[in-house]
Amino acid sequence: GAGVSQTPSNKVTEKGKYVELRCDPISGHTALYWYRQSLGQGPEFLIYFQGTGAADDSGLPNDRFFAVRPEGSVSTLKIQRTERGDSAVYLCASSPASGRAGSFYEQYFGPGTRLTVT
Amino acid sequence: DAKTTQPPSMDCAEGRAANLPCNHSTISGNEYVYWYRQIHSQGPQYIIHGLKNNETNEMASLIITEDRKSSTLILPHATLRDTAVYYCIVRRGYNNNDMRFGAGTRLTVKP
Repeated sequence: GAGVSQTPSNKVTEKGKYVELRCDPISGHTALYWYRQSLGQGPEFLIYFQGTGAADDSGLPNDRFFAVRPEGSVSTLKIQRTERGDSAVYLCASSPASGRAGSFYEQYFGPGTRLTVT
Repeated sequence: DAKTTQPPSMDCAEGRAANLPCNHSTISGNEYVYWYRQIHSQGPQYIIHGLKNNETNEMASLIITEDRKSSTLILPHATLRDTAVYYCIVRRGYNNNDMRFGAGTRLTVKP
């Protein structure tokens, strides 16, 4: 079956511009996660959705970052007034449910979107 | 969550066992040890997790010391495709929603 897909695979934008990154989770997965990975480092948690609502957005670095999941499926990560420091690979993952349900659910990651801010 | 320490890099000969160590000396009783790996240009992939007993699946074995302060991920017969960064993560219960990845260990399997 289809895995997690992310579009675009690469995005180059100028400093100060607005960008949207899209994530299509595995069909039926209720939990969706966004991570950011800078060169040479491990992924850094940004936000996680359970259904349509953001259950934990404690990893968003500042108010320029926002994410939505209006119908509980596709999610969009939005970055306003981009800065060069935002350049990274943005990873999305999904799982059948949240681990807070009391069982382990593996996170399945997409290939990421490489964002470059010039 | 408990902090983990891993060597930055390791080499392994193809066909031999790869033993990747992780130190988590401050782990608490309800924290699980999770292992993920990330092959170049791909997203991380779950490998295995455990609480206190040793675990084995089709990908790897996880050996956790009796005091739970350290663990070892074992790839029994490493192949070139196992070259990747391996992350050891400690999380409370099954609450792995917001995984905190460190820098991991870069394993290079050599022919």
